[in-house]
Amino acid sequence: RKEVEQDPGPFNVPEGATVAFNCTYSNSASQSFFWYRQDCRKEPKLLMSVYSSGNEDGRFTAQLNRASQYISLLIRDSKLSDSATYLCFNDYKLSFGAGTTVTVRA
Amino acid sequence: DTAVSQTPKYLVTQMGNDKSIKCEQNLGHDTMYWYKQDSKKFLKIMFSYNNKELIINETVPNRFSPKSPDKAHLNLHINSLELGDSAVYFCASSQDGVAGGHETQYFGPGTRLLVL
Repeated sequence: RKEVEQDPGPFNVPEGATVAFNCTYSNSASQSFFWYRQDCRKEPKLLMSVYSSGNEDGRFTAQLNRASQYISLLIRDSKLSDSATYLCFNDYKLSFGAGTTVTVRA
Repeated sequence: DTAVSQTPKYLVTQMGNDKSIKCEQNLGHDTMYWYKQDSKKFLKIMFSYNNKELIINETVPNRFSPKSPDKAHLNLHINSLELGDSAVYFCASSQDGVAGGHETQYFGPGTRLLVL
C-alpha cells in the first residue's frame, strides 16, 4: 500500500465551479501535511499547509481529518489558472501522492 | 534570483555512461533533497541531507551517489546509466530538521534525463 493515495482525477470543471478532492495517508504518526501544485513540466510549488483546525487561503480550503487519516482540498469559484496537478504531501517517509489533475474549462 | 537551481536542465545520454546533476540553494536552508519523478508523474524521495549529512536514503541503487560539499549544495552522480533512469530529477530544500515535522520544500526547476 502506498503511503499516500490520491484520486488521480481528472476533474474537469467549468469556471466558477467548486471542486474538492481527498488524499489518504497510511501512517498515523505523520505530523506535517501540505498541498503542492504542479503545472505541466514544472516543479511543484507550495499551495498551502494543512492544519488540524483547517485553513483557508482565498478560494482554497484545506482540512485534516486525523481520525480517518485523510486531508482534503477544496477550490471555490474555479479559475482557468487553477488547472494543474495537485499533490498532497506528508512527512512520513517524505511521501507525495501521485497527484490529482484538475482542468477548469471556460 | 533563483532560490533553488539545478544544472543541467536537460540531459540526454547513452546507457552505461556516468553523469552528474548539480543543485544549489541560496535560501540558507539546512536540508536538501533529491526526488525522482517518473513517466507516471509519481514524485519519489531518493535522498535527504541535513547540514551535509545523509539522513534519508530510500532504497536507491548504489549507482546513485549524492554528495554535499556544503549545506548549500547537493549534487547527484549516477554511474552506469540505465534506460529506467530516464525521469525528471528535482532537487529541493527546506529550513528544518527531520524531527518534529517538516517545513515547506522549495523545488528546483528539474533536470530532464533521457537515457538512450
